[in-house]
Amino acid sequence: KQEVTQIPAALSVPEGENLVLNCSFTDSAIYNLQWFRQDPGKGLTSLLLIQSSQREQTSGRLNASLDKSSGRSTLYIAASQPGDSATYLCAVARSGAGSYQLTFGKGTKLSVIP
Amino acid sequence: DADVTQTPRNRITKTGKRIMLECSQTKGHDRMYWYRQDPGLGLRLIYYSFDVKDINKGEISDGYSVSRQAQAKFSLSLESAIPNQTALYFCATSDHGNSYNEQFFGPGTRLTVL
Repeated sequence: KQEVTQIPAALSVPEGENLVLNCSFTDSAIYNLQWFRQDPGKGLTSLLLIQSSQREQTSGRLNASLDKSSGRSTLYIAASQPGDSATYLCAVARSGAGSYQLTFGKGTKLSVIP
Repeated sequence: DADVTQTPRNRITKTGKRIMLECSQTKGHDRMYWYRQDPGLGLRLIYYSFDVKDINKGEISDGYSVSRQAQAKFSLSLESAIPNQTALYFCATSDHGNSYNEQFFGPGTRLTVL
């Protein structure tokens, strides 16, 4: 059974700092990996999706990497802003017939201090 | 307007009551999902539907039922609510034909069962 772990559970950084959020998974047979942002009362927003054949994806100040062999993904946020404060979730879709099914980590709660 | 909407956004009910949560989407996606989120447990899949005639149980379907009334509508019912069904419920959609099954989430329904 796939297990997804996100460490740390919470992170506080000063505004302007670059930061890295970590996600690890136990089964490397994945279809894709998706990073989400969750804001209170606003549900989940999809940030980046990395296909199993890709090494990284970029969107604005966000860069996500994937290393299937080691079971790791990182989300890099450049020049952090207070508006980046949210909980960040990593979710993995397994390969094969169950590729629709996401296994989620418990998230990292990020606070960016002005 | 939001692409995936959920009603109600908040609901308080009593043990034993029947309750329905509704989800609508304007994304034109064929696949729809229901998840619940509990503190410290992450998101878990309750039911999923690949089209109007294809409904499947997820990881934690006991105590729940669903109805796919149309491609754009997917409802979750609790026939007899119990306190441990208190949680945040999310609906999600994806398009089988595109984007590696990237999932898009609604804003969530916070359900409290007293």
